[in-house]
Amino acid sequence: EDKVVQSPLSLVVHEGDTVTLNCSYEVTNFRSLLWYKQEKKAPTFLFMLTSSGIEKKSGRLSSILDKKELFSILNITATQTGDSAVYLCAVPMTTDSWGKLQFGAGTQVVVTP
Amino acid sequence: NAGVTQTPKFQVLKTGQSMTLQCAQDMNHEYMSWYRQDPGMGLRLIHYSVGAGITDQGEVPNGYNVSRSTTEDFPLRLLSAAPSQTSVYFCASRKTGQGEKLFFGSGTQLSVL
Repeated sequence: EDKVVQSPLSLVVHEGDTVTLNCSYEVTNFRSLLWYKQEKKAPTFLFMLTSSGIEKKSGRLSSILDKKELFSILNITATQTGDSAVYLCAVPMTTDSWGKLQFGAGTQVVVTP
Repeated sequence: NAGVTQTPKFQVLKTGQSMTLQCAQDMNHEYMSWYRQDPGMGLRLIHYSVGAGITDQGEVPNGYNVSRSTTEDFPLRLLSAAPSQTSVYFCASRKTGQGEKLFFGSGTQLSVL
């Protein structure tokens, strides 16, 4: 059964700290891994990773995938209060060809001033 | 470009009532889906559709019906609401053949008393 596990479930940091979020997965035929940021409403897309070892970056956010060890990391450097959100990791289920996304439970990040 | 539009944003129902959550997208996406989000459980797939006239069940389909008569619309029907269906519901869509990146609506917060 496909599985996506995120850790930690929540954390509180001070502005300026660096945050590292983990996502481990178990799928039969890996295709991709996606990261989303969810503030109060809809999840918004951050990254999609398909290849091992290639870091994706967008400003202070970066992510990397390890297909051998079956995990991905999302890093946020120099955190700001606007980074407070739930960060979701998702992997397409491999039981069909349509790639339905299976989500982890998310990591809630709180950045204090 | 409106993207994915969900209505209503909030709804309170009594046990046994029926209602339809509306979802429309203007991006000509073939794939549309409904998720529910509960605390600590992430997003769970209810139903999905890969085109007009084609729907299938997701992880938690019981108590929900869907139909897809047009590419743009994908309504979710609760036939007889139960307190266990209290949740936040998200509609999401994507273009097939362009990866698994989903675009989300802003959500419907549903309470069943």
